Amino acid sequence: NAGVTQTPKFQVLKTGQSMTLQCAQDMNHNSMYWYRQDPGMGLRLIYYSASEGTTDKGEVPNGYNVSRLNKREFSLRLESAAPSQTSVYFCASSEYGGGTQYFGPGTRLTVL
Amino acid sequence: EDQVTQSPEALRLQEGESSSLNCSYTVSVLRGLFWYRQDPGKGPEFLFTLYSAGEEKEKERLKATLTKKESFLHITAPKPEDSATYLCAVPANQAGTALIFGKGTTLSVSS
Repeated sequence: NAGVTQTPKFQVLKTGQSMTLQCAQDMNHNSMYWYRQDPGMGLRLIYYSASEGTTDKGEVPNGYNVSRLNKREFSLRLESAAPSQTSVYFCASSEYGGGTQYFGPGTRLTVL
Repeated sequence: EDQVTQSPEALRLQEGESSSLNCSYTVSVLRGLFWYRQDPGKGPEFLFTLYSAGEEKEKERLKATLTKKESFLHITAPKPEDSATYLCAVPANQAGTALIFGKGTTLSVSS
């Protein structure tokens, strides 16, 4: 089992460019999450999907969109990247909402 | 508002010097408290879940305990490989039970 995988691992964008971060899990989990981690701010929830077919905003959703493509995959899209979106992005999954979350290795994004 | 606060922000220990990390939380209903370890450049790795006051769990040199207002991660005779950032989290009540994380305690153990 690969657990939670994320692509790409690193990305550099220019302001205004768009990109999609991909996440997939092979644990048959129902819930999936996107977080960003910034120095001094800890992990902050961007969006989550409690189950296939549903998505909801977290603490910091502005500038992002998500798609729960199927039970395995949950993508995060930046439509027009801004320097404030420079961060490390983590995807996570859990068997159910509020359960133990398992994290991917992260995507390090720099917006110039 | 649900909240998680960890202290200290950073902790430096000598190898073999035991200590504790603190996680205090404010939630209307506690439905679990999670501890994670995060190594530089990696995603958080699950350590423990505690569900009720008085509960304890152990893994190697780590022991997590829970009271009604806080949790402690006790590190006994730490080794340099225990150096990492330790995060605690609780399920939020407002956000569909997604986890709220503290900012973490960065532990450095020197030999």
